[in-house]
Amino acid sequence: EAQVTQNPRYLITVTGKKLTVTCSQNMNHEYMSWYRQDPGLGLRQIYYSMNVEVTDKGDVPEGYKVSRKEKRNFPLILESPSPNQTSLYFCASIPGLAGGPASYNEQFFGPGTRLTVL
Amino acid sequence: GQQVMQIPQYQHVQEGEDFTTYCNSSTTLSNIQWYKQRPGGHPVFLIQLVKSGEVKKQKRLTFQFGEAKKNSSLHITATQTTDVGTYFCAGRHQAGTALIFGKGTTLSVSS
Repeated sequence: EAQVTQNPRYLITVTGKKLTVTCSQNMNHEYMSWYRQDPGLGLRQIYYSMNVEVTDKGDVPEGYKVSRKEKRNFPLILESPSPNQTSLYFCASIPGLAGGPASYNEQFFGPGTRLTVL
Repeated sequence: GQQVMQIPQYQHVQEGEDFTTYCNSSTTLSNIQWYKQRPGGHPVFLIQLVKSGEVKKQKRLTFQFGEAKKNSSLHITATQTTDVGTYFCAGRHQAGTALIFGKGTTLSVSS
């Protein structure tokens, strides 16, 4: 089944304790992205990746890191989480250039990771 | 940064009534997409509009892209309880740039 998976789905942690949220897609998509969703603010892009070893900042990258060593995986790293990073996080992928201009492809979202930083 | 404004933020309707959500950008969009997020779920792609003045229909849902490619709307005819959720528009200001989401319209429907 074609899908985007995220782990963990729920996480409660404490300030300053490094954590990684994994994201994996099995659709051979080139483009992957991370969003955070907060009440009243909608979805805001954190980082995106056009392909392996190519990453770039979105609208709210502060406090986050990403890597894209393999096409299928795009982990989100919080080196020193703070309470203002408590949020619902979504990973998404798009077929990308292989399927035509990335602009014109729908995004497939993962199920979400609810993170609480105490 | 560039924004896509979406209104209203919330809408409550009686089952059978119509519903419309609007998106507006101050600059021209290369395309606009619509997503639906059910309570507790993740956003799911509904449709993409690319051409100026484009209108697309999916059963009771009608999507429009303005002539100037700066605004879009989603209209639901005769809402049902299954329409409950948050509807997001998302646009790109230029091909290949990041998709910018509106803040969403949350629809509730009472029977």
